[in-house]
Amino acid sequence: GAGVSQSPRYKVAKRGQDVALRCDPISGHVSLFWYQQALGQGPEFLTYFQNEAQLDKSGLPSDRFFAERPEGSVSTLKIQRTQQEDSAVYLCASSLEVENYNEQFFGPGTRLTVL
Amino acid sequence: AQSVTQPDIHITVSEGASLELRCNYSYGATPYLFWYVQSPGQGLQLLLKYFSGDTLVQGIKGFEAEFKRSQSSFNLRKPSVHWSDAAEYFCAVGPSGYALNFGKGTSLLVTP
Repeated sequence: GAGVSQSPRYKVAKRGQDVALRCDPISGHVSLFWYQQALGQGPEFLTYFQNEAQLDKSGLPSDRFFAERPEGSVSTLKIQRTQQEDSAVYLCASSLEVENYNEQFFGPGTRLTVL
Repeated sequence: AQSVTQPDIHITVSEGASLELRCNYSYGATPYLFWYVQSPGQGLQLLLKYFSGDTLVQGIKGFEAEFKRSQSSFNLRKPSVHWSDAAEYFCAVGPSGYALNFGKGTSLLVTP
């Protein structure tokens, strides 16, 4: 079956541009997570959705970062006025439900380079 | 606060040799512990997980890990490494169904 997909796989932006990164979770998965992975680092939590509700956005590094999941399926991470420090791989993960452990399935990521 | 430390940034082993990757964690309650592998250009794949019970857990691709509460460790092991095991390995801790807290990773190089 289809896994988590992300698009685009690579994005180059000039400093100051806005970007939108898309995540298609596995069908039927309730939970959706965004992580940021800087070069040579482990993934760091950004935000979490349960269906369409954004339950935790404590990891978003600034108010330039915004995420949504309006219909409880596809999610978009938007970064406004990109800065060089935003360059990273952005990973999306989904899991079947919240209660009881369910494995997080990760997408391949979007590599963002800000020039 | 929860945190994960992977002391080894890079490890090189010969093909066929045994492997142990170290992971130490800090967590206020009984931790949920995970090992993920990331190959170049690929997403993270779960190797194994520990929630409770038997402290030695078996995973995919011949990997195993042992939870030692007294040492706050969850080290990953494999008895015989294959060239295809070369990748980045991440240890993570987290509560059930919630965001994971990852270590910085250990890069494994396998030599002929």
